[in-house]
Amino acid sequence: DAKTTQPNSMESNEEEPVHLPCNHSTISGTDYIHWYRQLPSQGPEYVIHGLTSNVNNRMASLAIAEDRKSSTLILHRATLRDAAVYYCILRDRGSTLGRLYFGRGTQLTVWP
Amino acid sequence: EAQVTQNPRYLITVTGKKLTVTCSQNMNHEYMSWYRQDPGLGLRQIYYSMNVEVTDKGDVPEGYKVSRKEKRNFPLILESPSPNQTSLYFCASSLSLRVDSPLHFGNGTRLTVT
Repeated sequence: DAKTTQPNSMESNEEEPVHLPCNHSTISGTDYIHWYRQLPSQGPEYVIHGLTSNVNNRMASLAIAEDRKSSTLILHRATLRDAAVYYCILRDRGSTLGRLYFGRGTQLTVWP
Repeated sequence: EAQVTQNPRYLITVTGKKLTVTCSQNMNHEYMSWYRQDPGLGLRQIYYSMNVEVTDKGDVPEGYKVSRKEKRNFPLILESPSPNQTSLYFCASSLSLRVDSPLHFGNGTRLTVT
């Protein structure tokens, strides 16, 4: 399975935009890019996913590079509640296998 | 409320004493999975199940067993726990393996084996 690489940690100030990068240089044509986040003392929660085009939802935006070898999760105005570990994972559209690789993610710290 | 429920939230046990961590979902999801989370290692998949009576190994299955006799339940069994299984465990489910079917996670079970 294709894996992803993320920085271990990032910091932001409250109400500023945050751009969380993810590299996936071995991504295949059928892999979707998913983002999850894990708030303290909770299980991970789904944030957003996409294939080729940029995506927006109420939580965040996902910008996908033209060659799909990297992507960026964008939080437009960080709040203290956005402090979490963010995971970028790949899910194969054609896969009938259930193995999913989460990795270590990026710890986002938001300063007031 | 749609949710994944794990029990117990905290468990302290001794080496060799069999234990079961339960996981139940009320969303009629086909896919369920167990992960363990350790500092510096992220989330690692232990076992997963595509549907009733269908289970398969993840990345770190050694020392664990699972069963899927009913769609809603996916218990994690440690027949003879060891200290290296001290970890934070998460159960997850999704409607299917379709890529637009997000995973729903429980709130975790913190296990300590002494």
